[in-house]
Amino acid sequence: DVKVTQSSRYLVKRTGEKVFLECVQDMDHENMFWYRQDPGLGLRLIYFSYDVKMKEKGDIPEGYSVSREKKERFSLILESASTNQTSMYLCASSLSHSGNTGELFFGEGSRLTVL
Amino acid sequence: GENVEQHPSTLSVQEGDSAVIKCTYSDSASNYFPWYKQELGKGPQLIIDIRSNVGEKKDQRIAVTLNKTAKHFSLHITETQPEDSAVYFCAASRFYGGSQGNLIFGKGTKLSVKP
Repeated sequence: DVKVTQSSRYLVKRTGEKVFLECVQDMDHENMFWYRQDPGLGLRLIYFSYDVKMKEKGDIPEGYSVSREKKERFSLILESASTNQTSMYLCASSLSHSGNTGELFFGEGSRLTVL
Repeated sequence: GENVEQHPSTLSVQEGDSAVIKCTYSDSASNYFPWYKQELGKGPQLIIDIRSNVGEKKDQRIAVTLNKTAKHFSLHITETQPEDSAVYFCAASRFYGGSQGNLIFGKGTKLSVKP
């Protein structure tokens, strides 16, 4: 069974702290994504990666960075957390082959609270 | 870029009734329209999708219809059950360069099915 695992389900951090959100997938997928989910705003793409060491900005990259050193792992980094980054963060992965539907497989989410 | 509008934001139905969620998209080049279901505490999961060369697709109690001319697509759930209660997201994307583009999500519909 396919699996995307987010290491932390709940985190509480203070303003200014550096925050790492980790995501691991066991499906050998090329593509990995970080979304932010807020009530009334749906799912917004922060960053994505098509390959190891590659990254692309999504719709709301400001205040975030990412790292993809291994194919199975995609990390989201908040260099200096702010209260407006309090949110649910969802990691997803998908296959990259031509003709693929691009179905996203999501993790269960990491709820971050910044005080 | 693509913009996806989803209505209603909340929907409450009695068990056994039908539920309909509607989405419109702006980019006429979009050709892939999936629907994701997010149960409480979990990540979204693909439940059905449709491509632009098809007008309707069914899978047991759920169906999706697409009107390319009007640029809207809908999710229909018949004989609703309490386990259908969840947040539903529509999305749109298109193929270009031989690959599936990133999904653009609607803001979501919270469906409540009352026993």
